[in-house]
Amino acid sequence: DAMVIQNPRYQVTQFGKPVTLSCSQTLNHNVMYWYQQKSSQAPKLLFHYYDKDFNNEADTPDNFQSRRPNTSFCFLDIRSPGLGDAAMYLCATSRDLREEETQYFGPGTRLLVL
Amino acid sequence: SQKIEQNSEALNIQEGKTATLTCNYTNYSPAYLQWYRQDPGRGPVFLLLIRENEKEKRKERLKVTFDTTLKQSLFHITASQPADSATYLCALDSGGGADGLTFGKGTHLIIQP
Repeated sequence: DAMVIQNPRYQVTQFGKPVTLSCSQTLNHNVMYWYQQKSSQAPKLLFHYYDKDFNNEADTPDNFQSRRPNTSFCFLDIRSPGLGDAAMYLCATSRDLREEETQYFGPGTRLLVL
Repeated sequence: SQKIEQNSEALNIQEGKTATLTCNYTNYSPAYLQWYRQDPGRGPVFLLLIRENEKEKRKERLKVTFDTTLKQSLFHITASQPADSATYLCALDSGGGADGLTFGKGTHLIIQP
């Protein structure tokens, strides 16, 4: 089945130690998104790629970076995680950027910062 | 800035009744509105999309309305079942698709047997 896969499902890191979260998709979608979701909060868009074009949200901290080496894979790098970065990180895809496009989400990676 | 409000963080409904969830928005005129379901520890799953020129959209036991004058969408689940218990998120596109989706915090729905 076509899907969005995130690895790992749970990630524990230490304060200040760089961490990378992975996302892959078999949907062959053009757009990949990263959202941050804290407990009982709305998913918050961090950035997205349309093909190789990177689009950063204005309020996304510089501590968060992303890479998309090919259509299928996208990575979220947190350079120096702080305690406030503990959250669920959701990867999503869509075929295009048109308004009516629905998004397909992965299961998420829950990040714990010690 | 855009703001999305969903009616409550927890809604308890008796099995078999109709659950109605509310999504209100301000400072925004979306052409489309979407509803997603999110189970604990999982990513959101798309349910329904409604366009601004559509008053109502149905899918099985689900019904969504969209009132652009009131800036409100209602999401109904008829003949509710305990398996419908989840968090339901309303999402709007900020226009042109360029900024992804803006989500509400969601309403936690509990269907009691």
